[in-house]
Amino acid sequence: SQQGEEDPQALSIQEGENATMNCSYKTSINNLQWYRQNSGRGLVHLILIRSNEREKHSGRLRVTLDTSKKSSSLLITASRAADTASYFCATDEEDKIIFGKGTRLHILP
Amino acid sequence: DAGITQSPRYKITETGRQVTLMCHQTWSHSYMFWYRQDLGHGLRLIYYSAAADITDKGEVPDGYVVSRSKTENFPLTLESATRSQTSVYFCASSGLAGGSHEQYFGPGTRLTVT
Repeated sequence: SQQGEEDPQALSIQEGENATMNCSYKTSINNLQWYRQNSGRGLVHLILIRSNEREKHSGRLRVTLDTSKKSSSLLITASRAADTASYFCATDEEDKIIFGKGTRLHILP
Repeated sequence: DAGITQSPRYKITETGRQVTLMCHQTWSHSYMFWYRQDLGHGLRLIYYSAAADITDKGEVPDGYVVSRSKTENFPLTLESATRSQTSVYFCASSGLAGGSHEQYFGPGTRLTVT
């Protein structure tokens, strides 16, 4: 069962613009994580936000969490070519996490 | 080398053959996971392990077998490979349970079953 669902499925923006992707989930969570996957590579953890947090920052990344709407967003500011990747949200379920299908982000030069 | 490694990185096998994918981590993490990644499905959990000799099924366990005799190793075996098992397989490890801690991923094994 897929808990998180990212939106949009694909996104193309110009370098320097901000990129926003969203994640919606169905059941209550304790934590939500975002991961990045470059083409042909394994996933890399970006940020974890707990259910009692509303916003978290890490460098050019900003994650928000709205537990009342069961949704989260990942904002990448001042995008760079190196940000081209797939981004996944993951929600906790007992002692494991469940990944969404991801958003493919393409940064145009 | 430190980290999490997978071998082989690429494997082509025939339908019906047994194949084992290896995963090794050097952090002594308690938790280890196997995922498969297919276009249109994202990452799906196959099996996971909370500690040596403790394993549990994930979302898509059929056709796979795992073992964990040592904390650092978590091999995944396809007992009789089928074409539907053609996929990219990722191993991951985590120090803590559930979503309270990040998972560290290996580079993946691309498996083709002909």
